[in-house]
Amino acid sequence: NAGVTQTPKFQVLKTGQSMTLQCAQDMNHEYMSWYRQDPGMGLRLIHYSVGAGITDQGEVPNGYNVSRSTTEDFPLRLLSAAPSQTSVYFCASSYLAGASNEQFFGPGTRLTVL
Amino acid sequence: GQQLNQSPQSMFIQEGEDVSMNCTSSSIFNTWLWYKQDPGEGPVLLIALYKAGELTSNGRLTAQFGITRKDSFLNISASIPSDVGIYFCAGNQGAQKLVFGQGTRLTINP
Repeated sequence: NAGVTQTPKFQVLKTGQSMTLQCAQDMNHEYMSWYRQDPGMGLRLIHYSVGAGITDQGEVPNGYNVSRSTTEDFPLRLLSAAPSQTSVYFCASSYLAGASNEQFFGPGTRLTVL
Repeated sequence: GQQLNQSPQSMFIQEGEDVSMNCTSSSIFNTWLWYKQDPGEGPVLLIALYKAGELTSNGRLTAQFGITRKDSFLNISASIPSDVGIYFCAGNQGAQKLVFGQGTRLTINP
Protein backbone atom coordinates (compact mmCIF):
# COMPACT_ATOMS: atom_id res chain seq x y z
CA ASN A 1 0.00 0.00 0.00
CA ALA A 2 1.20 3.49 -0.84
CA GLY A 3 -0.87 4.99 2.00
CA VAL A 4 -1.70 8.68 1.52
CA THR A 5 0.02 10.36 -1.41
CA GLN A 6 0.12 14.06 -2.21
CA THR A 7 1.27 15.98 -5.27
CA PRO A 8 3.04 18.24 -5.87
CA LYS A 9 5.58 18.29 -3.03
CA PHE A 10 6.47 21.95 -3.66
CA GLN A 11 4.63 24.73 -5.51
CA VAL A 12 5.16 28.44 -6.05
CA LEU A 13 2.21 30.52 -7.24
CA LYS A 14 1.64 34.16 -8.02
CA THR A 15 -1.20 36.01 -6.33
CA GLY A 16 -4.44 35.32 -8.19
CA GLN A 17 -3.37 32.06 -9.78
CA SER A 18 -5.40 28.91 -9.27
CA MET A 19 -4.23 25.40 -8.66
CA THR A 20 -5.31 22.01 -7.34
CA LEU A 21 -3.47 20.04 -4.69
CA GLN A 22 -3.93 16.33 -5.24
CA CYS A 23 -4.49 13.72 -2.53
CA ALA A 24 -5.10 10.00 -2.91
CA GLN A 25 -5.31 7.06 -0.53
CA ASP A 26 -5.42 3.32 -1.20
CA MET A 27 -6.62 2.14 2.20
CA ASN A 28 -10.36 2.35 1.42
CA HIS A 29 -10.79 4.98 4.13
CA GLU A 30 -14.15 6.71 4.24
CA TYR A 31 -12.84 9.86 5.93
CA MET A 32 -10.46 12.28 4.24
CA SER A 33 -9.37 15.74 5.30
CA TRP A 34 -7.13 18.69 4.48
CA TYR A 35 -5.09 20.64 7.02
CA ARG A 36 -2.76 23.58 6.79
CA GLN A 37 0.25 23.90 9.06
CA ASP A 38 1.65 27.30 9.95
CA PRO A 39 4.49 28.03 12.41
CA GLY A 40 3.26 28.06 16.01
CA MET A 41 -0.31 27.21 14.96
CA GLY A 42 -0.30 23.43 14.82
CA LEU A 43 -2.56 21.92 12.17
CA ARG A 44 -5.87 23.53 11.30
CA LEU A 45 -8.67 21.72 9.49
CA ILE A 46 -9.69 23.23 6.14
CA HIS A 47 -12.28 20.78 4.74
CA TYR A 48 -13.19 17.19 5.31
CA SER A 49 -15.26 14.40 3.77
CA VAL A 50 -16.96 11.37 5.33
CA GLY A 51 -17.51 9.64 1.99
CA ALA A 52 -17.83 10.07 -1.75
CA GLY A 53 -20.14 12.96 -2.59
CA ILE A 54 -20.06 14.40 0.96
CA THR A 55 -17.88 17.31 2.05
CA ASP A 56 -17.99 19.79 4.90
CA GLN A 57 -16.09 22.80 6.17
CA GLY A 58 -13.48 22.76 8.86
CA GLU A 59 -12.00 25.59 10.90
CA VAL A 60 -10.43 27.61 8.05
CA PRO A 61 -12.35 26.89 4.80
CA ASN A 62 -12.31 30.34 3.16
CA GLY A 63 -10.43 30.46 -0.15
CA TYR A 64 -10.51 26.69 -0.64
CA ASN A 65 -12.86 24.29 -2.43
CA VAL A 66 -13.00 20.50 -2.30
CA SER A 67 -14.90 17.67 -3.96
CA ARG A 68 -15.03 13.93 -3.35
CA SER A 69 -16.11 12.07 -6.48
CA THR A 70 -14.38 8.81 -5.47
CA THR A 71 -13.39 7.16 -2.21
CA GLU A 72 -9.71 7.37 -3.15
CA ASP A 73 -9.28 11.01 -4.16
CA PHE A 74 -9.84 14.31 -2.36
CA PRO A 75 -8.40 17.30 -4.27
CA LEU A 76 -8.09 20.75 -2.72
CA ARG A 77 -8.57 23.73 -5.02
CA LEU A 78 -7.31 27.26 -4.56
CA LEU A 79 -9.36 29.43 -6.93
CA SER A 80 -7.38 32.67 -6.50
CA ALA A 81 -4.24 32.23 -4.44
CA ALA A 82 -3.31 34.84 -1.83
CA PRO A 83 -0.06 35.30 0.12
CA SER A 84 -1.96 34.34 3.30
CA GLN A 85 -2.32 30.86 1.82
CA THR A 86 1.43 30.29 1.95
CA SER A 87 1.64 27.21 4.16
CA VAL A 88 2.31 23.49 4.28
CA TYR A 89 -0.78 21.47 3.36
CA PHE A 90 -1.43 17.97 4.64
CA CYS A 91 -4.03 15.49 3.50
CA ALA A 92 -5.13 12.75 5.90
CA SER A 93 -7.49 9.79 5.88
CA SER A 94 -9.02 7.35 8.33
CA TYR A 95 -11.82 4.85 8.88
CA LEU A 96 -15.08 6.27 10.17
CA ALA A 97 -16.01 3.32 12.37
CA GLY A 98 -15.52 3.51 16.13
CA ALA A 99 -14.84 6.43 18.41
CA SER A 100 -11.33 6.96 17.15
CA ASN A 101 -10.13 9.27 14.46
CA GLU A 102 -6.68 7.83 13.88
CA GLN A 103 -5.77 9.73 10.77
CA PHE A 104 -2.91 8.78 8.47
CA PHE A 105 -1.15 11.78 6.96
CA GLY A 106 0.44 12.32 3.58
CA PRO A 107 3.94 13.84 3.20
CA GLY A 108 2.61 17.36 2.61
CA THR A 109 2.69 20.06 -0.09
CA ARG A 110 4.73 23.17 0.62
CA LEU A 111 3.00 26.12 -1.09
CA THR A 112 4.41 29.60 -1.50
CA VAL A 113 2.23 32.41 -2.87
CA LEU A 114 4.14 35.46 -4.04
CA GLY B 1 -11.41 28.34 16.69
CA GLN B 2 -11.03 25.79 19.44
CA GLN B 3 -7.46 25.03 20.44
CA LEU B 4 -5.54 22.74 22.67
CA ASN B 5 -2.87 24.31 24.84
CA GLN B 6 0.26 22.25 24.50
CA SER B 7 3.35 22.78 26.61
CA PRO B 8 6.18 23.25 26.56
CA GLN B 9 6.58 24.77 23.09
CA SER B 10 10.16 23.54 22.89
CA MET B 11 12.55 21.37 24.85
CA PHE B 12 16.32 21.03 24.76
CA ILE B 13 17.56 17.94 26.58
CA GLN B 14 20.53 15.62 26.83
CA GLU B 15 20.41 12.16 25.31
CA GLY B 16 19.17 9.67 27.89
CA GLU B 17 16.95 12.12 29.74
CA ASP B 18 13.23 11.60 30.21
CA VAL B 19 10.75 13.96 28.52
CA SER B 20 7.30 15.05 29.57
CA MET B 21 4.79 17.19 27.67
CA ASN B 22 1.09 17.84 28.10
CA CYS B 23 -2.05 19.22 26.54
CA THR B 24 -4.97 20.92 28.20
CA SER B 25 -8.32 22.19 27.02
CA SER B 26 -11.40 23.88 28.40
CA SER B 27 -13.51 21.32 26.50
CA ILE B 28 -14.08 17.61 27.00
CA PHE B 29 -12.68 15.21 24.40
CA ASN B 30 -13.68 11.60 23.62
CA THR B 31 -10.29 10.64 22.21
CA TRP B 32 -6.76 11.92 22.69
CA LEU B 33 -4.07 11.23 20.14
CA TRP B 34 -0.34 11.90 20.11
CA TYR B 35 1.52 12.38 16.82
CA LYS B 36 5.18 12.91 15.93
CA GLN B 37 6.35 14.88 12.91
CA ASP B 38 9.83 14.52 11.45
CA PRO B 39 11.24 17.35 9.29
CA GLY B 40 9.66 17.40 5.83
CA GLU B 41 7.20 14.66 6.70
CA GLY B 42 3.57 14.37 7.74
CA PRO B 43 2.62 13.57 11.34
CA VAL B 44 2.67 9.91 12.36
CA LEU B 45 0.40 8.50 15.05
CA LEU B 46 2.22 7.37 18.22
CA ILE B 47 -0.50 6.62 20.74
CA ALA B 48 -4.31 6.78 20.82
CA LEU B 49 -6.32 7.05 24.06
CA TYR B 50 -10.04 6.29 24.27
CA LYS B 51 -11.08 6.28 27.93
CA ALA B 52 -10.72 8.75 30.77
CA GLY B 53 -7.90 7.62 33.04
CA GLU B 54 -6.43 5.29 30.40
CA LEU B 55 -2.65 4.86 30.54
CA THR B 56 -1.08 3.42 27.39
CA SER B 57 2.52 2.61 26.48
CA ASN B 58 4.27 2.18 23.15
CA GLY B 59 7.87 1.20 23.79
CA ARG B 60 9.55 4.09 25.61
CA LEU B 61 6.45 6.26 25.18
CA THR B 62 3.67 6.47 27.77
CA ALA B 63 0.54 8.60 27.46
CA GLN B 64 -2.44 9.16 29.71
CA PHE B 65 -6.00 10.37 29.10
CA GLY B 66 -6.81 12.75 31.94
CA ILE B 67 -9.60 11.77 34.32
CA THR B 68 -11.45 15.03 33.60
CA ARG B 69 -11.20 14.31 29.82
CA LYS B 70 -9.74 17.78 29.38
CA ASP B 71 -6.06 16.91 29.37
CA SER B 72 -3.44 14.38 28.36
CA PHE B 73 0.28 13.92 28.82
CA LEU B 74 3.05 12.14 26.93
CA ASN B 75 6.25 10.87 28.51
CA ILE B 76 9.33 9.63 26.67
CA SER B 77 11.85 7.71 28.72
CA ALA B 78 15.59 7.48 28.07
CA SER B 79 15.54 9.76 25.01
CA ILE B 80 17.59 8.86 21.93
CA PRO B 81 18.59 11.00 18.92
CA SER B 82 15.77 9.69 16.72
CA ASP B 83 13.22 11.12 19.18
CA VAL B 84 13.99 14.57 17.75
CA GLY B 85 10.97 16.14 16.06
CA ILE B 86 7.73 17.94 16.77
CA TYR B 87 5.13 16.23 18.94
CA PHE B 88 1.46 17.12 18.58
CA CYS B 89 -1.49 16.27 20.74
CA ALA B 90 -4.91 16.06 19.11
CA GLY B 91 -8.41 15.70 20.52
CA ASN B 92 -11.58 14.35 18.99
CA GLN B 93 -15.00 15.38 20.28
CA GLY B 94 -16.81 12.85 18.12
CA ALA B 95 -17.65 15.19 15.23
CA GLN B 96 -14.96 13.75 12.96
CA LYS B 97 -12.91 16.89 13.50
CA LEU B 98 -9.52 16.62 15.14
CA VAL B 99 -8.26 19.65 17.06
CA PHE B 100 -4.48 19.91 17.31
CA GLY B 101 -2.18 21.48 19.84
CA GLN B 102 0.53 23.90 18.74
CA GLY B 103 3.25 21.27 19.03
CA THR B 104 6.31 20.65 21.21
CA ARG B 105 9.65 20.81 19.39
CA LEU B 106 12.13 18.36 20.93
CA THR B 107 15.87 18.85 20.45
CA ILE B 108 18.37 16.36 21.86
CA ASN B 109 22.02 17.08 22.53
CA PRO B 110 24.14 13.95 22.14
